[in-house]
Amino acid sequence: SQQGEEDPQALSIQEGENATMNCSYKTSINNLQWYRQNSGRGLVHLILIRSNEREKHSGRLRVTLDTSKKSSSLLITASRAADTASYFCATRPNQAGTALIFGKGTTLSVSS
Amino acid sequence: GAVVSQHPSWVICKSGTSVKIECRSLDFQATTMFWYRQFPKQSLMLMATSNEGSKATYEQGVEKDKFLINHASLTLSTLTVTSAHPEDSSFYICSARGTGANYGYTFGSGTRLTVV
Repeated sequence: SQQGEEDPQALSIQEGENATMNCSYKTSINNLQWYRQNSGRGLVHLILIRSNEREKHSGRLRVTLDTSKKSSSLLITASRAADTASYFCATRPNQAGTALIFGKGTTLSVSS
Repeated sequence: GAVVSQHPSWVICKSGTSVKIECRSLDFQATTMFWYRQFPKQSLMLMATSNEGSKATYEQGVEKDKFLINHASLTLSTLTVTSAHPEDSSFYICSARGTGANYGYTFGSGTRLTVV
């Protein structure tokens, strides 16, 4: 099962520009996490935001969470070619012992 | 930090054969493990949830007799793809969740299965 949608599905930008990806989900959550995945590789955990938090920063990453709209955004500032990857949001439902549920992902391409 | 080791990282097998994928938590006890499947250019889809010592719970549409999951210990879960077909070719990723100080979800590095 999947929680919801991410948009855009694909995003192409130039190095130095900012990239914004959005994620929507359906159920109540404990937290929301963002992951990166390079082509054919495993997942890299980027950042976690709890349901009682509204914004969080980590380096060039900024995540927002709006639980009333059941949505989150990931902003990557001053993008680099190395940021080229697929980005997924994953929600942890409130129900104990349940799996992370992933969104459909955004494929980001950063050209130099 | 919590580490999950998944093996093999890639495997090629013939149609009709079975393939076993292992997922080990190296430095924590994983009371719950999750198995995901990812087709090319798609997201991760949860296949099943397994708790140590009990039968796995499969998501709708996932054949339990085809994807055998064993979670016999707190550090090891296995996924066996039985009678593999080319349409089973996919990227399989496990995730482990511990208890106590480690409530996080730790992912294995994934297994690329190609059935020929």
